[in-house]
Amino acid sequence: DQQVKQNSPSLSVQEGRISILNCDYTNSMFDYFLWYKKYPAEGPTFLISISSIKDKNEDGRFTVFLNKSAKHLSLHIVPSQPGDSAVYFCAASVVSNTGKLIFGQGTTLQVKP
Amino acid sequence: DVKVTQSSRYLVKRTGEKVFLECVQDMDHENMFWYRQDPGLGLRLIYFSYDVKMKEKGDIPEGYSVSREKKERFSLILESASTNQTSMYLCASSLDSPGEQFFGPGTRLTVL
Repeated sequence: DQQVKQNSPSLSVQEGRISILNCDYTNSMFDYFLWYKKYPAEGPTFLISISSIKDKNEDGRFTVFLNKSAKHLSLHIVPSQPGDSAVYFCAASVVSNTGKLIFGQGTTLQVKP
Repeated sequence: DVKVTQSSRYLVKRTGEKVFLECVQDMDHENMFWYRQDPGLGLRLIYFSYDVKMKEKGDIPEGYSVSREKKERFSLILESASTNQTSMYLCASSLDSPGEQFFGPGTRLTVL
């Protein structure tokens, strides 16, 4: 039972355009969400997070949107750069649950020069 | 900067061998985690620990055990390695709950 789903295995965008990565979840108890980026042969690195009391969080070129009623979150990268090419994972947790994260399957983003 | 190190980047073992994967973090984090990453399946939690000598099963604990004798070190043990345990193994640590998890570089394990 996949509680966190990233339905698009891959995404290709042109440099300078917007990248939108999507994530859906089924567990209404989730109240904290994170995005991680992973390059080949490296561990994932934290990108941005959002609490369920917010519907948007911004950090430079990265913005995460949360739609609780739809159980959907998205990561917007604008403008996209070739260095953004990586696998992106969304993750969700329940605040009271010892920091355990549930990850999605990942989306591979390719930004073409 | 938080640093999470894993004992090996690449490991090749034979079926039936006992395998130890070591993870060390240097930021006094309470929580430590072991995941495996497989194509199309994302990161799946094997075991985690929120304190020394404490451990909890994750989503896929079968065939694995863990040990946390010191706060900074969390070991993953494959009691009798099997070919379906060929995977990328990632260790992580975090200070808070919820909170950002910091990952090590991963160990690519191949079981022949």
